[in-house]
Amino acid sequence: SAVISQKPSRDICQRGTSLTIQCQVDSQVTMMFWYRQQPGQSLTLIATANQGSEATYESGFVIDKFPISRPNLTFSTLTVSNMSPEDSSIYLCSVEVAQYENGYTFGSGTRLTVV
Amino acid sequence: AQSVAQPEDQVNVAEGNPLTVKCTYSVSGNPYLFWYVQYPNRGLQFLLKYITGDNLVKGSYGFEAEFNKSQTSFHLKKPSALVSDSALYFCAVSPKKGGSARQLTFGSGTQLTVLP
Repeated sequence: SAVISQKPSRDICQRGTSLTIQCQVDSQVTMMFWYRQQPGQSLTLIATANQGSEATYESGFVIDKFPISRPNLTFSTLTVSNMSPEDSSIYLCSVEVAQYENGYTFGSGTRLTVV
Repeated sequence: AQSVAQPEDQVNVAEGNPLTVKCTYSVSGNPYLFWYVQYPNRGLQFLLKYITGDNLVKGSYGFEAEFNKSQTSFHLKKPSALVSDSALYFCAVSPKKGGSARQLTFGSGTQLTVLP
């Protein structure tokens, strides 16, 4: 199955600043997914990132707040912009493994605390 | 719209006893069903999946899950729990679109604590 490297693993940021999270996959994948896990909550899909096109955002998430880049088939970034304490969460990237051999593979997550 | 319910926020079981973590789902058509585990300060790890075939699915670390179409359930089980199984468990469902899914809907998670 695919191996995902996600960084940073954690960060503490000041409100009003932005943080860019990177996700690197060891194989080419068509789609990459970004999730948010708020404290004590389940995972919520933020957006789907396709290479060469704009990301598709889920309800409640907008590009200005969470811009995504997908420059090639192995890499994506998610930026959390103009952060507030409510953005404190774990952010995870994920890829779909072909033919569901191992379902979806997730990165180890970025634990973000906004102060 | 699809949904997943994990009715128990917390499950406690004694080490060596069997464990069950419950999951029910709602989706149009045939579902893809998954169980993931999240250890503290780590990302999600895949445990097992149901796509088609045998209703009893065996996965990692001795876990298994039983797909019950009539009850729309996919309960996670293990015959003998270990303290190291203590973690947060998520059930997830995905729709079947043209033979390939595009996103997962996760349950709210169940915290499993295995007591020594």
